[in-house]
Amino acid sequence: QVQLQESGPGLVKPSETLSLSCAVSGYSISSGYYWGWIRQPPGKGLEWIGSIYHSGSTYYNPSLKSRVTISVDTSKNQFSLKLSSVTAADTAVYYCARSRGLDTFDIWGQGTMVTVSS
Amino acid sequence: QSALTQPASVSGSPGQSITISCTGTSSDVGSYNLVSWYQQDPGKAPKLMIYEISKRPSGVSNRFSGSKSGNSASLTISGLQAEDEADYYCCSYASSTSLVFGGGTKLTVL
Repeated sequence: QVQLQESGPGLVKPSETLSLSCAVSGYSISSGYYWGWIRQPPGKGLEWIGSIYHSGSTYYNPSLKSRVTISVDTSKNQFSLKLSSVTAADTAVYYCARSRGLDTFDIWGQGTMVTVSS
Repeated sequence: QSALTQPASVSGSPGQSITISCTGTSSDVGSYNLVSWYQQDPGKAPKLMIYEISKRPSGVSNRFSGSKSGNSASLTISGLQAEDEADYYCCSYASSTSLVFGGGTKLTVL
């Protein structure tokens, strides 16, 4: 079955760039679907960060757009998130997920906690 | 864009029905039939329960149903069970090719 697994540093310093990857198994990213990133600060709700279509088109949350880059590496069957100039407010569990349309996230990774602290 | 508005908490007894509301604007919920609902247990990833207002993914109990009226959407759980206790989030497509989540609702089964 299709599985997603996030990976990346659990601790990032303020003003630096947060970089995460999501490895996909059981399905070829280049075959279809949207692939997205969602985050959840401790004790708070979900926030959509952005998504990428299998063709490479990207869609970002307007409030984060200036700091976010999502890309796909079809050779590794994974997609990645870069969030620049991070602050403590970016501390959260970061999830990667597959969506059939931009809005319907049907398969999620387990999530990875990222803390922004010096 | 602002988060969709959900009640912070709802509760019900086993066997009862509860409804969770999700209020947006004419730029999101009101303009698109693209509202989804997610169930999240503590420490776990969210799980898709409803998509496109009222469709259920394979494997989701038919006790879960969704609807929409104007700028608001709703999730109804009938025949409440202890295992339904969780946080629930709505999500809507929004203008400018964007998505917005609700603030989340904690469901307590009494």
